[in-house]
Amino acid sequence: DSGVTQTPKHLITATGQRVTLRCSPRSGDLSVYWYQQSLDQGLQFLIQYYNGEERAKGNILERFSAQQFPDLHSELNLSSLELGDSALYFCASSATGTRTGELFFGEGSRLTVL
Amino acid sequence: ELKVEQNPLFLSMQEGKNYTIYCNYSTTSDRLYWYRQDPGKSLESLFVLLSNGAVKQEGRLMASLDTKARLSTLHITAAVHDLSATYFCAVDMMNYGQNFVFGPGTRLSVLP
Repeated sequence: DSGVTQTPKHLITATGQRVTLRCSPRSGDLSVYWYQQSLDQGLQFLIQYYNGEERAKGNILERFSAQQFPDLHSELNLSSLELGDSALYFCASSATGTRTGELFFGEGSRLTVL
Repeated sequence: ELKVEQNPLFLSMQEGKNYTIYCNYSTTSDRLYWYRQDPGKSLESLFVLLSNGAVKQEGRLMASLDTKARLSTLHITAAVHDLSATYFCAVDMMNYGQNFVFGPGTRLSVLP
């Protein structure tokens, strides 16, 4: 158990809909990262937050948005869903004040868009 | 372009054999990470390599880093079925405005 909690674990929805994925980082970690893993694209970095502020942005679509709240949990919002958005979405957090920067991953949220 | 490549992408080997997975990256970085992922599961941290020449070992797995060659290796000794998984390397590219850039993964299958 990495200590990173993601909900929901599974989600099935229809095209055009909107969903919200939630992540609670490990206790004490200020950084939260979101990754998308699909069969043909591998692990794609979406976005990083550090202590509530956006720190880095990757290949995140305009239909997707995220935020990190004062209690450090984060939410990833996916809207106008398309079939190609079906994927495993991972949240990860990293330790604060250490040099390693190692990421600890949650169990993922599997999104299926029908 | 910021790229992380792994070789091979698929590896099928017999129990008891040795093999090496290679990870090449395109920019200078002195931080490299190896992760393991079982099908449909999360990513588990295996090794953190933080300097040139770093070598880490855990059980039948050994990882090394050569920052000058921009190369890391993951060596498997006397493979067992339980090592079957996908192995990812990831490079810290914060100096280039990116975070962890993951390689495509090497899917390892150890056959009895």
